[in-house]
Amino acid sequence: AQSVTQLDSQVPVFEEAPVELRCNYSSSVSVYLFWYVQYPNQGLQLLLKYLSGSTLVKGINGFEAEFNKSQTSFHLRKPSVHISDTAEYFCAVSEGGSGGSNYKLTFGKGTLLTVNP
Amino acid sequence: EAQVTQNPRYLITVTGKKLTVTCSQNMNHEYMSWYRQDPGLGLRQIYYSMNVEVTDKGDVPEGYKVSRKEKRNFPLILESPSPNQTSLYFCASSPRGAPQYFGPGTRLTVL
Repeated sequence: AQSVTQLDSQVPVFEEAPVELRCNYSSSVSVYLFWYVQYPNQGLQLLLKYLSGSTLVKGINGFEAEFNKSQTSFHLRKPSVHISDTAEYFCAVSEGGSGGSNYKLTFGKGTLLTVNP
Repeated sequence: EAQVTQNPRYLITVTGKKLTVTCSQNMNHEYMSWYRQDPGLGLRQIYYSMNVEVTDKGDVPEGYKVSRKEKRNFPLILESPSPNQTSLYFCASSPRGAPQYFGPGTRLTVL
């Protein structure tokens, strides 16, 4: 069975500082990996996804993530954050299937990123 | 405008009274899914559907039913709600694979 661990429940940073949100996964097969963002009182938005190919994935709003198979990690990074990046971030995993898609998705418990002025 | 809609947005009900939360998407997506979000637990997948008449269980399907009779609609049915189903529910859709568009959420309280 697949699982996801987000190592930090809260990450406070100052505006314009770099940030890394950590995510580790567990699976016995190949995986697809995702990061979602949830702004206060809203639904989720897909930030980026890794399906195959380059291990460095670029997403929306200047975020990127790197898939590291040996460390079973998929950490999310941004070189300079803004106040507007304050939100909860969720890492998710699904097991790779034929045809390039799999529908059973397991989420981590989330990391609350708070950007302070 | 591409969107996923859910109704109702807020619902307070009593134990045992059957209810349905509707979900509709206007993007002709094949894949739809339901999640519940609880503090400290993140999101957990309840059910998903790969296409019309094709559904499967997620991680927490107990106490829920779904149906997919039309491509655009994916209702979540609670036949006999209980207080432990008090939660924030999200519907999502995508053309394939990971959910890409989420609805605004339905906050359900079961007394």
